[in-house]
Amino acid sequence: KAGVTQTPRYLIKTRGQQVTLSCSPISGHRSVSWYQQTPGQGLQFLFEYFSETQRNKGNFPGRFSGRQFSNSRSEMNVSTLELGDSALYLCASSSGQVDGYTFGSGTRLTVV
Amino acid sequence: AQSVTQPDIHITVSEGASLELRCNYSYGATPYLFWYVQSPGQGLQLLLKYFSGDTLVQGIKGFEAEFKRSQSSFNLRKPSVHWSDAAEYFCAVVRDSNYQLIWGAGTKLIIKP
Repeated sequence: KAGVTQTPRYLIKTRGQQVTLSCSPISGHRSVSWYQQTPGQGLQFLFEYFSETQRNKGNFPGRFSGRQFSNSRSEMNVSTLELGDSALYLCASSSGQVDGYTFGSGTRLTVV
Repeated sequence: AQSVTQPDIHITVSEGASLELRCNYSYGATPYLFWYVQSPGQGLQLLLKYFSGDTLVQGIKGFEAEFKRSQSSFNLRKPSVHWSDAAEYFCAVVRDSNYQLIWGAGTKLIIKP
């Protein structure tokens, strides 16, 4: 059974650019959550999608957005990148029940 | 508000020694509790979870955790650590309002040879 796949693994972008990260959940999982992890702030919840609908949202500015497709794959987009957006972005999938999440290996974004 | 506290930022233990990582939570009802492990540059792997029932939970890689309601704790233990256990460990509780995870700050485990 394939795990959660995040692409790309590494990205380097310039301030002001935008970026799109991709996440393919475990087959059959309908919930996809996104987290930002930084040394200073730890793990912070960005948003969750379930059956193509945003079900929950964290406290991030509108520059951070996401979507989910009918096959449950999800993308997140960050526009007008800032240096502080440099982080490890983690995607996690679940069946939608409270049974724990399976995480991908993450995308390391560096903004220069 | 619900919160999770991992009081130890770093813990150093010798290989073969026993391990206990502390986790305290604030929550009114019976919480859903998790321990995850993160190796450098990797995502998080679920070690174990507690929802209800037996308060001693067995997980993968020889880990176990005990839920103690009276102490609002869910400490992670391992009888004998291996060098491959060096990683960062995160405790989490599910937020009852939206079923999202509330994370502790993590404890970095260092193994001495």
